[in-house]
Amino acid sequence: SAVISQKPSRDICQRGTSLTIQCQVDSQVTMMFWYRQQPGQSLTLIATANQGSEATYESGFVIDKFPISRPNLTFSTLTVSNMSPEDSSIYLCSVAPGPREQYFGPGTRLTVT
Amino acid sequence: DQQVKQNSPSLSVQEGRISILNCDYTNSMFDYFLWYKKYPAEGPTFLISISSIKDKNEDGRFTVFLNKSAKHLSLHIVPSQPGDSAVYFCAAGAIQGAQKLVFGQGTRLTINP
Repeated sequence: SAVISQKPSRDICQRGTSLTIQCQVDSQVTMMFWYRQQPGQSLTLIATANQGSEATYESGFVIDKFPISRPNLTFSTLTVSNMSPEDSSIYLCSVAPGPREQYFGPGTRLTVT
Repeated sequence: DQQVKQNSPSLSVQEGRISILNCDYTNSMFDYFLWYKKYPAEGPTFLISISSIKDKNEDGRFTVFLNKSAKHLSLHIVPSQPGDSAVYFCAAGAIQGAQKLVFGQGTRLTINP
């Protein structure tokens, strides 16, 4: 398995501002992902964070809104830009240390007012 | 297009009895499936997985069954304990799909004393 931490654990932000969420893993992993869970909904993949190259975004998510950095194999950041109340969600990073396994961080609960 | 479906939003089970959570999928390309347990304000916790080449996998109180022809899987928890009360998500992935997971909507399990 893998131990994953996220910062901040929660935040309340004003609309129009941006928030950067950090994800730290206790071991080097190639595959790292960012998901979103909107209130009462399931988890939806935002993007795959690729080390040394641009992230791969899923349909409906764009780099201008959710820029991602992956400077090394243990760390990534997700920025939620120009926030609106619709961005209020739990944001989760995950890692896949091997095939057929994936572990999640504790999540960042974001409320936009 | 909901590729992974959990048709029961909630399930209530007596402590000590068996809990059975169900999940259906539509995409034949999925070749592994995972079950997660999620408490409020926490990230999903990995429970058990199964490869598409198997029809059963067991780990302690948790057993997952896969019926490929029916595109159906189920998670059995025996015996159910109060600490099992949580939301359970099934997720599907494909090794050729870069390990991106598609999640069901979740089932809220309540264990009654």
